[in-house]
Amino acid sequence: AQTVTQSQPEMSVQEAETVTLSCTYDTSESNYYLFWYKQPPSRQMILVIRQEAYKQQNATENRFSVNFQKAAKSFSLKISDSQLGDTAMYFCAFMHTGTASKLTFGTGTRLQVTL
Amino acid sequence: NAGVMQNPRHLVRRRGQEARLRCSPMKGHSHVYWYRQLPEEGLKFMVYLQKENIIDESGMPKERFSAEFPKEGPSILRIQQVVRGDSAAYFCASSFRPDDYEQYFGPGTRLTVT
Repeated sequence: AQTVTQSQPEMSVQEAETVTLSCTYDTSESNYYLFWYKQPPSRQMILVIRQEAYKQQNATENRFSVNFQKAAKSFSLKISDSQLGDTAMYFCAFMHTGTASKLTFGTGTRLQVTL
Repeated sequence: NAGVMQNPRHLVRRRGQEARLRCSPMKGHSHVYWYRQLPEEGLKFMVYLQKENIIDESGMPKERFSAEFPKEGPSILRIQQVVRGDSAAYFCASSFRPDDYEQYFGPGTRLTVT
């Protein structure tokens, strides 16, 4: 079974600064996807970024980028130029590619962006 | 194109009552996933359904919980004889294909058991 671990329950960053959220996972699979989801106070789950395990290049989406270390089973999220609207819970998630693709989530990191 | 819709958004039930949560997937999506989020925790997979079929129910509690996705109409998650520990946010997600990496989430239903 897959497990996803987020060891930082809470983090804080000042506006315009950079912050990195950590995530490690454990799996015996070789083909999978990794995701970061954002959950603002509205509770809506919003996909921030995804990474295919077979791709060596780290994914980037505007101010969001990942550092994917497959051998270390590490998948951290970097948020550059943090904005007040980035305040939210952030969940790391794993999905085995193939049929019946359920998501396995970590316990989340609560990010507070301050002035 | 409407997104995934869930209703009700908030549901209050007394202990012992039944709760019915509805999920309408995105147009054209025939794969539905239900997840539960207990307070201060991440989402946990409950069940995966296709039209008229349960594909994976490995995350469903053995008793009191059931799910369906009929040929017509929304997917229903049913909780019988609710207890306080069922209080949580229940999220539905849908995808176009079973190997579609992107699941589109609904806004969730917050169930409170008093």
